[in-house]
Amino acid sequence: DAEITQSPRHKITETGRQVTLACHQTWNHNNMFWYRQDLGHGLRLIHYSYGVQDTNKGEVSDGYSVSRSNTEDLPLTLESAASSQTSVYFCASSEKGWSYGYTFGSGTRLTVV
Amino acid sequence: QKEVEQNSGPLSVPEGAIASLNCTYSDRGSQSFFWYRQYSGKSPELIMFIYSNGDKEDGRFTAQLNKASQYVSLLIRDSQPSDSATYLCAVNNASKIIFGSGTRLSIRP
Repeated sequence: DAEITQSPRHKITETGRQVTLACHQTWNHNNMFWYRQDLGHGLRLIHYSYGVQDTNKGEVSDGYSVSRSNTEDLPLTLESAASSQTSVYFCASSEKGWSYGYTFGSGTRLTVV
Repeated sequence: QKEVEQNSGPLSVPEGAIASLNCTYSDRGSQSFFWYRQYSGKSPELIMFIYSNGDKEDGRFTAQLNKASQYVSLLIRDSQPSDSATYLCAVNNASKIIFGSGTRLSIRP
């Protein structure tokens, strides 16, 4: 069955380290998104991509980057991890863009110490 | 003003009753509206979407949209303990979806 997977499920890292969170989907969806979820803030968009070589900044993109070299993967990189980036990160994909809703991965809980 | 606003709850509803969840949004140009359910420690799951004014029913769930009032609601009939979760309202904004902070729903036996 097609799916969207995130790895790792849990990660603890130190302040200042570079961290990459993986997102892989097998639906062949063009559209992929990264959100972070924090208490009181709901889901906030970090970066998104509408296809290979396309990336766009969301509302909380500072300190994060993404690259899209193939349809299946959209890795999220924290250039220099900060304690403020401790959060749960969700990757999502959609077939036909925003108007049809998203399917989410199971999430990565990141702790920066 | 937040783009998508929801009461954080918790909303406590007796089993078998109707649960009513509400959401307001700020962008009058929004065209697509979604309700996601999120169990504790899990990822959000799409349960309803609505594009036109009025009601849309799917099983025990009814989504209601009033674009003039910029208001979206979700009704859950015959509430079950398994409906206890956080419900996220989401609205399209240009080419992406903006989420509310969610309403925590608790169904009491």
